[in-house]
Amino acid sequence: AQSVTQPDIHITVSEGASLELRCNYSYGATPYLFWYVQSPGQGLQLLLKYFSGDTLVQGIKGFEAEFKRSQSSFNLRKPSVHWSDAAEYFCAVSGSTDKLIFGTGTRLQVFP
Amino acid sequence: DVKVTQSSRYLVKRTGEKVFLECVQDMDHENMFWYRQDPGLGLRLIYFSYDVKMKEKGDIPEGYSVSREKKERFSLILESASTNQTSMYLCASSTDRVTNYGYTFGSGTRLTVV
Repeated sequence: AQSVTQPDIHITVSEGASLELRCNYSYGATPYLFWYVQSPGQGLQLLLKYFSGDTLVQGIKGFEAEFKRSQSSFNLRKPSVHWSDAAEYFCAVSGSTDKLIFGTGTRLQVFP
Repeated sequence: DVKVTQSSRYLVKRTGEKVFLECVQDMDHENMFWYRQDPGLGLRLIYFSYDVKMKEKGDIPEGYSVSREKKERFSLILESASTNQTSMYLCASSTDRVTNYGYTFGSGTRLTVV
């Protein structure tokens, strides 16, 4: 069965610092992988996605993620965090069906 | 700009009431989904639909039902609301059987059952 693990429930960084949010997935074949962001009181917005090809994918708002098959990981990164990046981030995986399986989320807090 | 609209942002209902959560998308998407979101549990799939009149159970369907009479509208029904159904409910839609573009989400409905 497909599953997603986000091991960090809460991360705090200073504005301007680099960021890496971890995501590990379980799936037998090549998965479709996604990162979503949710601002307080809002729905989820797609940051980026990976289907195939280049394992480093670029997304909106300056985010990128790297697919590492050997580690079953799809970590989200940003070189310099802005205060407006404070939100909850969800990693998700999909296989041959159209259902997305979400992780439990990582809440990002940014200090000035 | 594509949109998924959930009719209510906040709802307060009494235990035992029948509750309808409405979701409408304007993208002509085939697939629609209902999730509930709870702290520490992430998003859990309640029901989904790949076509009009079609529905399938997700991971936590108990206490819920759905209706999809038109392609653009997918309703979630709480037959008899209970306090453990207090949660944030998120509707989403997508195109194609294989998720090529991810989901488009609505802004959510925060339901409180008292």
